[in-house]
Amino acid sequence: QQQVKQSPQSLIVQKGGISIINCAYENTAFDYFPWYQQFPGKGPALLIAIRPDVSEKKEGRFTISFNKSAKQFSLHIMDSQPGDSATYFCAARRAGGTSYGKLTFGQGTILTVHP
Amino acid sequence: DSGVTQTPKHLITATGQRVTLRCSPRSGDLSVYWYQQSLDQGLQFLIQYYNGEERAKGNILERFSAQQFPDLHSELNLSSLELGDSALYFCASSDLGPRLYFGPGTRLTVL
Repeated sequence: QQQVKQSPQSLIVQKGGISIINCAYENTAFDYFPWYQQFPGKGPALLIAIRPDVSEKKEGRFTISFNKSAKQFSLHIMDSQPGDSATYFCAARRAGGTSYGKLTFGQGTILTVHP
Repeated sequence: DSGVTQTPKHLITATGQRVTLRCSPRSGDLSVYWYQQSLDQGLQFLIQYYNGEERAKGNILERFSAQQFPDLHSELNLSSLELGDSALYFCASSDLGPRLYFGPGTRLTVL
């Protein structure tokens, strides 16, 4: 059962453009929604995260928009740069218990930013 | 550099064999998680340990087992390997917060 659905699978953007990746979840018990960035040959690294009590979080060129009623959240990368080319994963964590890191990941989006 | 180390970086073995993957968490992190990354399944949670005790289990096959030792390093044992077990295996660690720090991974190829 895929609890976090991510789209698109791949995305090509020109330098300076806006990259948008979307995720939808099913489990209303999720309470933490991070985005991870993964470069080839490396492990995923936390990019930005949001909790459901806020609708938007911005860190530099990266913004998460969160819509609790629609059970959707998205990553916006402003002024996309070739160095942003990587695979991006959305994820969600279920509230409660002691399994803090049991993240459910989306399938990933391969972002390519052309110079 | 996340501070999480994994060995070996690459592993090539044959079907039916057994391998052990090793992970050292960030200094001070008590939780260790194992994830499997394959092309068709994405990142799948396998198992979590906290200070030596199993804390949560995901879609981990019975052929796979793990443990966390008193020095907090962890090992993932994969036995009776099949072609479909070929994947990247990531270890991650965390303190009491929600952020996971992933290691560089071990690429397992089963021939």
